[in-house]
Amino acid sequence: GENVEQHPSTLSVQEGDSAVIKCTYSDSASNYFPWYKQELGKRPQLIIDIRSNVGEKKDQRIAVTLNKTAKHFSLHITETQPEDSAVYFCAARGGGNKLTFGTGTQLKVEL
Amino acid sequence: ETGVTQTPRHLVMGMTNKKSLKCEQHLGHNAMYWYKQSAKKPLELMFVYNFKEQTENNSVPSRFSPECPNSSHLFLHLHTLQPEDSALYLCASSQVGENGYTFGSGTRLTVV
Repeated sequence: GENVEQHPSTLSVQEGDSAVIKCTYSDSASNYFPWYKQELGKRPQLIIDIRSNVGEKKDQRIAVTLNKTAKHFSLHITETQPEDSAVYFCAARGGGNKLTFGTGTQLKVEL
Repeated sequence: ETGVTQTPRHLVMGMTNKKSLKCEQHLGHNAMYWYKQSAKKPLELMFVYNFKEQTENNSVPSRFSPECPNSSHLFLHLHTLQPEDSALYLCASSQVGENGYTFGSGTRLTVV
């Protein structure tokens, strides 16, 4: 089955800096890669996603890149703000319908 | 609300109790999922239902029993749980083969 690895597990940045979270996947048939943000005590929320026929996607301060050959994808957050502090999960959907999630990255944006 | 509603939000139960968690989605999705989220651990997939049929049981102990009477409702029946089963239980729904999941707010379960 699919295996998704996520790094780093914790990430501290200064406000205004950029943050990058990286994930790798194992199933070459995976075709959909969403990213979720989970604030403390709240549900995971989809913040951006990318399909396998696209290499990059941007939404304001958030971007995701996908390298199908290397089987890795990354989340980029620019001009970080305190409200960006949360746990971020990557995920991949393989041949079936289910999403396999990474282990999460605790992002802390310090003032 | 996101379109996926979970009740109750919090539940405290003894190890000999029987309780049920409920999930309802108003998004017209045809797939529903149960996830367990323990402190400092990744999201653990428990069960998958596509078109009301269970398509995956991720080696979940039998003290957790899912039920999906229709595409909009999903239950998780609990009995003789252990303290290590204390966690946040998240329900999610999606359209089979499309896009990501929409999660509910979860049920925070404490087993005493």
